[in-house]
Amino acid sequence: AQSVSQHNHHVILSEAASLELGCNYSYGGTVNLFWYVQYPGQHLQLLLKYFSGDPLVKGIKGFEAEFIKSKFSFNLRKPSVQWSDTAEYFCAVTFTGNQFYFGTGTSLTVIP
Amino acid sequence: EAQVTQNPRYLITVTGKKLTVTCSQNMNHEYMSWYRQDPGLGLRQIYYSMNVEVTDKGDVPEGYKVSRKEKRNFPLILESPSPNQTSLYFCASYRRPEDEQFFGPGTRLTVL
Repeated sequence: AQSVSQHNHHVILSEAASLELGCNYSYGGTVNLFWYVQYPGQHLQLLLKYFSGDPLVKGIKGFEAEFIKSKFSFNLRKPSVQWSDTAEYFCAVTFTGNQFYFGTGTSLTVIP
Repeated sequence: EAQVTQNPRYLITVTGKKLTVTCSQNMNHEYMSWYRQDPGLGLRQIYYSMNVEVTDKGDVPEGYKVSRKEKRNFPLILESPSPNQTSLYFCASYRRPEDEQFFGPGTRLTVL
């Protein structure tokens, strides 16, 4: 069965530190990839997405992600985190175009 | 304002008592989905709909039913709820699978 793995469950960083959250998926075919963020008490919202073209994708709030097909990965990065980035981050994949698979989420805490 | 609404936001019920969680979107999106979010498991797709009268199973459809009689509404029905359906439920709508999903605020369901 298809699956999505997020290896970091809880991450604690100081402000201005760099962030990289891992995401790997199991399917070798065509994929659409997403990162969503859930700030405390808020709805899930899209950070960025990839479905074709440049494998380096830039999203909102200074986030970016790189699709590496050979590694089945779509890691999320940010050069310098802020306290306001404290949230839960979810990687999501659709393989067939209809069914979606989400990772288990990474809880990020940024210490001022 | 573009939004996805869910009702109720909180529900406590007993085993076997049928319930419906409503979901409505005002963006004229073709696609709608239901997810459940459980600690350590992330979001898992229950059912999705590609358009009116077109629905299909997600990853965890057992114990749930859906219908899509109108484009804007996608209710989730639990005919005979059980304690293992205690969870946080999210509805989402989107124009196409490669586009952003817009999530509702969530419904926290407790089945005693």
